[in-house]
Amino acid sequence: DAGITQSPRHKVTETGTPVTLRCHQTENHRYMYWYRQDPGHGLRLIHYSYGVKDTDKGEVSDGYSVSRSKTEDFLLTLESATSSQTSVYFCATQQINSGANVLTFGAGSRLTVL
Amino acid sequence: KQEVTQIPAALSVPEGENLVLNCSFTDSAIYNLQWFRQDPGKGLTSLLLIQSSQREQTSGRLNASLDKSSGRSTLYIAASQPGDSATYLCADRSSNTGKLIFGQGTTLQVKP
Repeated sequence: DAGITQSPRHKVTETGTPVTLRCHQTENHRYMYWYRQDPGHGLRLIHYSYGVKDTDKGEVSDGYSVSRSKTEDFLLTLESATSSQTSVYFCATQQINSGANVLTFGAGSRLTVL
Repeated sequence: KQEVTQIPAALSVPEGENLVLNCSFTDSAIYNLQWFRQDPGKGLTSLLLIQSSQREQTSGRLNASLDKSSGRSTLYIAASQPGDSATYLCADRSSNTGKLIFGQGTTLQVKP
């Protein structure tokens, strides 16, 4: 997980509260992704970014928003958390060029919404 | 729609066996395909990445192949060991959308 830091690593919150997860990278990678992982569903793409202020929706974007004001930070916000958003959230980065396309993951953030 | 399928969902083998994990994808404009390993409660670790122009990649006892025409990739594990027990996931990155879509993974158990 070198170069990617997710915070917080664990969070318990109540339904209806806003939550922001942060992904910080030191690799200067252009692409950043937010995934959630749930039993029976695997990893599903929430949002991704292909540059500063350039973001797009993934498969399961409803209820989530993202922001990328600088290369190193990608924020995932749950405006009003629901129990269905209890999950493990993974951030990943990728540099798309001829030499380094490997997708690198953070350690994950476990979110519980009561 | 870009979809990735991994069959079987779970696999149990005795130690020492050679085995193949399968990954099927619908993307006709694949940019690359990556295989990952995930241990319980942990993040994902990249194992091998195959560019669309390549046919295979090797790392130690692992060999991954890519057949774009049939929409398939395989991960071959030689001489399996109990330490290989984990969930293996493949992911397809599309040239058209830039999205990276994962299969649901195959959970491998290697019995001593």
